[in-house]
Amino acid sequence: GQNIDQPTEMTATEGAIVQINCTYQTSGFNGLFWYQQHAGEAPTFLSYNVLDGLEEKGRFSSFLSRSKGYSYLLLKELQMKDSASYLCAGGKHFNKFYFGSGTKLNVKP
Amino acid sequence: DTGVSQDPRHKITKRGQNVTFRCDPISEHNRLYWYRQTLGQGPEFLTYFQNEAQLEKSRLLSDRFSAERPKGSFSTLEIQRTEQGDSAMYLCASSPRPRGGSLSYEQYFGPGTRLTVT
Repeated sequence: GQNIDQPTEMTATEGAIVQINCTYQTSGFNGLFWYQQHAGEAPTFLSYNVLDGLEEKGRFSSFLSRSKGYSYLLLKELQMKDSASYLCAGGKHFNKFYFGSGTKLNVKP
Repeated sequence: DTGVSQDPRHKITKRGQNVTFRCDPISEHNRLYWYRQTLGQGPEFLTYFQNEAQLEKSRLLSDRFSAERPKGSFSTLEIQRTEQGDSAMYLCASSPRPRGGSLSYEQYFGPGTRLTVT
């Protein structure tokens, strides 16, 4: 199947680093994507990995290990505005995307 | 505004009625996706268009759902004989065409249409 698992909720402190994990049990994903979704708003694209390894984009980095079915999103120098849900999604031939249920991140002062 | 737009933003309908939603993607984005999202869940894939061709359709999508993209620009999603279980946020997203031989994978989401079936 296309089960994508993420922790439901996490809490971290402003200025800290947080890692949000995502595991999946499927073959055929051509890429792994991360989106941010603030409450009541549409998702916005953060990062993607097509190959194994780390992709860095400013304060956000994403890692993929295809053999382990594992990805993580790393957020550095946390800010209060980073409080949101973070969605992990697998792309199948980029025609079809399967989203996890999202990880709600609470950033506290 | 050059983002993805959706209309209406909110729709309340009675069970059994038909509803139609519209999505206008970012200009010249040739790939268009429809998703459904309920509270506490991630978006659930419904269907995908490349230009005017519907290339993917979720098996979860019953025959009450139909989508079109007649000229490869805007798209419509119709739900016939709505049921209370259809209450959700319906999201549209678009992606740009490949440039320089490389695909652009990110999707740009619209604000969604919130459907409430009473």
